[in-house]
Parts: sequence; C-alpha cells; structure tokens
Amino acid sequence: DAGVIQSPRHEVTEMGQEVTLRCKPISGHNSLFWYRQTMMRGLELLIYFNNNVPIDDSGMPEDRFSAKMPNASFSTLKIQPSEPRDSAVYFCASTLDQVWGLYFGPGTRLTVT
Amino acid sequence: AQTVTQSQPEMSVQEAETVTLSCTYDTSESDYYLFWYKQPPSRQMILVIRQEAYKQQNATENRFSVNFQKAAKSFSLKISDSQLGDAAMYFCAYRSMYSGGGADGLTFGKGTHLIIQP
Repeated sequence: DAGVIQSPRHEVTEMGQEVTLRCKPISGHNSLFWYRQTMMRGLELLIYFNNNVPIDDSGMPEDRFSAKMPNASFSTLKIQPSEPRDSAVYFCASTLDQVWGLYFGPGTRLTVT
Repeated sequence: AQTVTQSQPEMSVQEAETVTLSCTYDTSESDYYLFWYKQPPSRQMILVIRQEAYKQQNATENRFSVNFQKAAKSFSLKISDSQLGDAAMYFCAYRSMYSGGGADGLTFGKGTHLIIQP
C-alpha cells in the first residue's frame, strides 16, 4: 500500500489567495483526519470524517477553512482567503480503528506571504 | 479535555546508549490508549509503539519500550542501543476509549527533540 498520499508537498502563496490541500487515505480506512502543526501550537486536530461524513469540525479555526470528503478515497482542505498565520504543516491521517493509531501522510508545508 | 505534557523539549544521547523520554497526561477516564510517534526530518509521522491502559504489561517493539504508570499518569519511552536513525522529534499521544463529544482523534504532546551524538 502506498500509504496516505498528500499533495502538494509544498505550497507557497500570497495572502488572500485560495489554497486547496488534497489527501488520499489508505484504501479501506474509514476515518480521515486533518491536523495542523505549528511550532507554537503543536499538532492540532482540525476536522474528522467517518465514512465520508464530517463528524467533528470544532477544530477548524474559522470560516475561511472548509473541508470535504466526496468519496472514500479523496478529501480536500480549503483555505479562502489565506492569511500569513495559516502558514503551517498540514497533515492528513487515516485509520480503520482509532484505537490502533493513525497513519499519517507526509504533510503539506504551506507558506502564506 | 485531556492534556498531554512532554516536559523535555530536547534530549541528547550518545550512540549505543539508552535514553528515556518522559510523557505525562491528564484524564478522568479509566480506559484509553497511549502512543508514541516519531517525526524525523522528513516530517513523516511514524507510529512507534502503542499501549492499552487496561493492560498492565508494558509494550515493547524491538529497541523501543514503554514504562506505563497508570496511577501516576505517566507513559515514558525508552530507546535502547540508540542509533543515528533514531534522531527525530518524538510525540506522545492520547486516545480516549470512547467516541464522539470531541474524543475522536489523538491528543498530542508538544514533542521532544532527540539528538543522537555519534
């Protein structure tokens, strides 16, 4: 299995632009998570999907952030408009059962100038 | 809400020596799961070891083992025979036994940067 796939690996954009991050979970996994990692705040859970349905989006910082999972093999995290404080590494993770841990993708490093 | 604390921002160890990374957590639950993740410079988060709170026996995975002290809410990671490839950030994580109500996903500590001295 190729593991969790994320694209792009790096994204540099200007403030105000729309950013879309993509994730392909491990085949067969039914739960998908988006995390954000910064030096100041560490790893924060943004949103969690189960069977393609958003279950908990309480970690999404504000309305500029949105996430979708149109099918079991694809999810997007969109930021519109982007701001410099959104600069971080964004991880996607998937699992079949959370008690066994999460399997993370390589992350997308986002820089907003 | 549960919190996970890693009090050592950075640790250094000589190659081939043993090092222990500390982790404490705060919870009112009696059943839960604990994890250690490794994040090398490549940024990839790699699951190292897992412990179920209802098991008294400490988990081991080759050179990696844990010291789980449930009453003290402590979950330390011991790395034996340290190798250069062990250099990474190490994150301790907590998962409730239950689902919903904000209990989903893992709660992570801030991490410990492990340096291996050749």
